[in-house]
Amino acid sequence: DQQVKQNSPSLSVQEGRISILNCDYTNSMFDYFLWYKKYPAEGPTFLISISSIKDKNEDGRFTVFLNKSAKHLSLHIVPSQPGDSAVYFCAASAIVEYGNKLVFGAGTILRVKS
Amino acid sequence: NAGVTQTPKFQVLKTGQSMTLQCAQDMNHNSMYWYRQDPGMGLRLIYYSASEGTTDKGEVPNGYNVSRLNKREFSLRLESAAPSQTSVYFCASSVAMGGYTFGSGTRLTVV
Repeated sequence: DQQVKQNSPSLSVQEGRISILNCDYTNSMFDYFLWYKKYPAEGPTFLISISSIKDKNEDGRFTVFLNKSAKHLSLHIVPSQPGDSAVYFCAASAIVEYGNKLVFGAGTILRVKS
Repeated sequence: NAGVTQTPKFQVLKTGQSMTLQCAQDMNHNSMYWYRQDPGMGLRLIYYSASEGTTDKGEVPNGYNVSRLNKREFSLRLESAAPSQTSVYFCASSVAMGGYTFGSGTRLTVV
């Protein structure tokens, strides 16, 4: 029973266009959400996060949107660059209830074509 | 600025063999974690250690044991390896309420 779901295994986008990666969750106790980026043969690296008290967080080309009522979050990358090609993992935690344990989605492979 | 260091990077085991995956962090983080990554499954938590001297089971602990040797080191042991344990293993560390720093992973194949 996956609590964090990334239903799109892969996404292909043209350089310069917007990439939108989606994530759904089922556990209403989750209060902190993160996106990680992973290149082949490397560990995941932190990209951006959002607390449940916010609905948007921006960092340069990366914006994360949170819709609590729909239990949905999305990562927007604008403009997309070839170096953004990687696997993106959505993760969630319920810090008060479960401590700082992250639950990860299955990941979405993003390919940015030049 | 090594961050989180995992050894070995690659390992091939025969069914029934044992081995220990090593992990060390130099960021003075209290919490450490072991995850496995499998295709279509994302990263699943095996064991974690909220602080030195404590360890707890995660989502998929069967077949594994851990030791939090000190604040820096957190090892994962496979007592009797099985083909189902073929995976990529990641160690991570964090401050109490913060994002994780991951190691570069150990690719384990059990034949």
